[in-house]
Amino acid sequence: DAGITQSPRHKVTETGTPVTLRCHQTENHRYMYWYRQDPGHGLRLIHYSYGVKDTDKGEVSDGYSVSRSKTEDFLLTLESATSSQTSVYFCAISESKDSGELFFGEGSRLTVL
Amino acid sequence: SQKIEQNSEALNIQEGKTATLTCNYTNYSPAYLQWYRQDPGRGPVFLLLIRENEKEKRKERLKVTFDTTLKQSLFHITASQPADSATYLCALWMDSSYKLIFGSGTRLLVRP
Repeated sequence: DAGITQSPRHKVTETGTPVTLRCHQTENHRYMYWYRQDPGHGLRLIHYSYGVKDTDKGEVSDGYSVSRSKTEDFLLTLESATSSQTSVYFCAISESKDSGELFFGEGSRLTVL
Repeated sequence: SQKIEQNSEALNIQEGKTATLTCNYTNYSPAYLQWYRQDPGRGPVFLLLIRENEKEKRKERLKVTFDTTLKQSLFHITASQPADSATYLCALWMDSSYKLIFGSGTRLLVRP
């Protein structure tokens, strides 16, 4: 299995509080992604990174920011969590853009009350 | 608008039969298409990739076809087993933007 660790795995928080999810990889892969998964919507791309300090928006980026200061870590931050951000968040990595194959973490379940 | 469509209803089949799952897309021009398996509470796991110039790909009991004219991929599991029960996701790789766009998945239930 690809070495991807997400933390925390479960979190319950209040509306308006900041939340940071961490994705850590040991594979030295260049590309990293954050997806959210909701019933009826499948997996939707939030942000992705194609290198250290190189990030771009996905299809549902509003309310989220990301940072990648090291190859191995990709942080997803909700500056002020809302109930609509209750979801399961998955981090994924990819070795190259040509292969396209993604390796996923186990997910972080976030509940915003 | 751009869409990826997979059957939202679960596919329920008898063990030993062939399961066929469908992925249709509109207004995309993917470089290739992928299929993933997802078990409850787990992250998706990559199964197969098929490129736009390939018609068919096989891996053990799995077979994927890709018709860029119909904008459709079919995913087959032959001699299905209860352990094949899971949700199967198709995804389109956008070569120009490093993005993988997912369908919402189809749940497969294989009865013993």
